Formats: sequence, C-alpha cells, structure tokens
Amino acid sequence: DAGVTQSPTHLIKTRGQQVTLRCSPISGHKSVSWYQQVLGQGPQFIFQYYEKEERGRGNFPDRFSARQFPNYSSELNVNALLLGDSALYLCASSTGRGVSYEQYFGPGTRLTVT
Amino acid sequence: KNEVEQSPQNLTAQEGEFITINCSYSVGISALHWLQQHPGGGIVSLFMLSSGKKKHGRLIATINIQEKHSSLHITASHPRDSAVYICAVYGGAQKLVFGQGTRLTINP
Repeated sequence: DAGVTQSPTHLIKTRGQQVTLRCSPISGHKSVSWYQQVLGQGPQFIFQYYEKEERGRGNFPDRFSARQFPNYSSELNVNALLLGDSALYLCASSTGRGVSYEQYFGPGTRLTVT
Repeated sequence: KNEVEQSPQNLTAQEGEFITINCSYSVGISALHWLQQHPGGGIVSLFMLSSGKKKHGRLIATINIQEKHSSLHITASHPRDSAVYICAVYGGAQKLVFGQGTRLTINP
C-alpha cells in the first residue's frame, strides 16, 4: 500500500507570494494533520481535518488555511509568505479523529522563502 | 518552559551501547508518541503508548503517567539507529505537542 504522499517535495517562493501544498493520505485514512518544522526544532501543529471538517487548529496566523476534499486528500495554503515560513511542512494521516491514533507521516515539502 | 522537554538534546555513543532518551511533559495526556526522523525529513512512528511499556525489536518505550515521564531505550545500538528521536504528546484540542528532538549519533 502506498504511504502518505506530499507534493511538491521542494519549493522556492518569494516573500509575499502564495503557496499551496498537497497531501494524499493512506487509503482508508480519514484524518489529515499538518505540521510545520523549522530547522533544528520539533514540528508544530497547524491543522487537523477529519471527515472534511477542521477539528483542530494550532497557533498560526490566518495566512495559513487548509481544506480536505471528499477523497480525504488535503491542501495547505499559505498567503503573503514571510521569510520565517521557510520550513519543512509535514502531513500525517490516521484512521481516527484524534491524534491518539497512530500517525503516519509523509516525506514533507521543504519550502524556502527568499 | 516547553510543554514537552527531551533530554539529552544530542547524544553520541559507540556501536553496541545501551541508549536512553528521556521525555518529560507538563500537560495531561491520553497518548504519547515516539517518532524517528532521518536526515531529509521523513518521520516514522515508533511507538504510541498511554501506559506501561512497549517493545519492538531492539527498541523499548516506557511511560510513567504519574510522573509525566517517558523513556525510549535502544539496546545493542547500531549506526543505522542514528537519527533524531522525537517525543510527542496528545494534550487535547486535537493536536500533538512535540519535543525539540534528540539527535543520536552511533559511531561504528
């Protein structure tokens, strides 16, 4: 079975631009969570979606938004990019709603903002 | 103070040594995850536990809910165990809170 996939793998954007990152969960998984990992730090929770609804949100500005589609894939959008948005963006899927279910992580999208 | 603290931040050992990585947390939790992250970013879930002890191969994870502490042990360490090990706790509000990670290097 295919694992969690993310696209693109790498991305370079300029300050002020907008970016869309994509995540496809493991087949049968209905929950997708997004995390930001700045170099040298642990990941930070951004969003969780379950059954196409937002179920949790981390401490990120409104420039960050996400959605989940009927096939349970998900997109993370970031507007008005700042240098500080440069990070590895990780997506994780699970079978259940809460993060007390085992999380399966994708390879991540490395975003560089110049 | 971070909600999840790991120690040590960096650990270098020789092949074959017994390794212990510690995680302390300050929030009430219903589950704790140990994750492994290799260079390049990919994260693999090693354990999810809410009580007691779990073992998988050379890896052992324990948790003491009363003391709000968990440990990850690696027996007979090998260079391929070199990675960043991350503890994450589920503190409610549908989110995982992560520690800063422990960078483990096993020299042959």
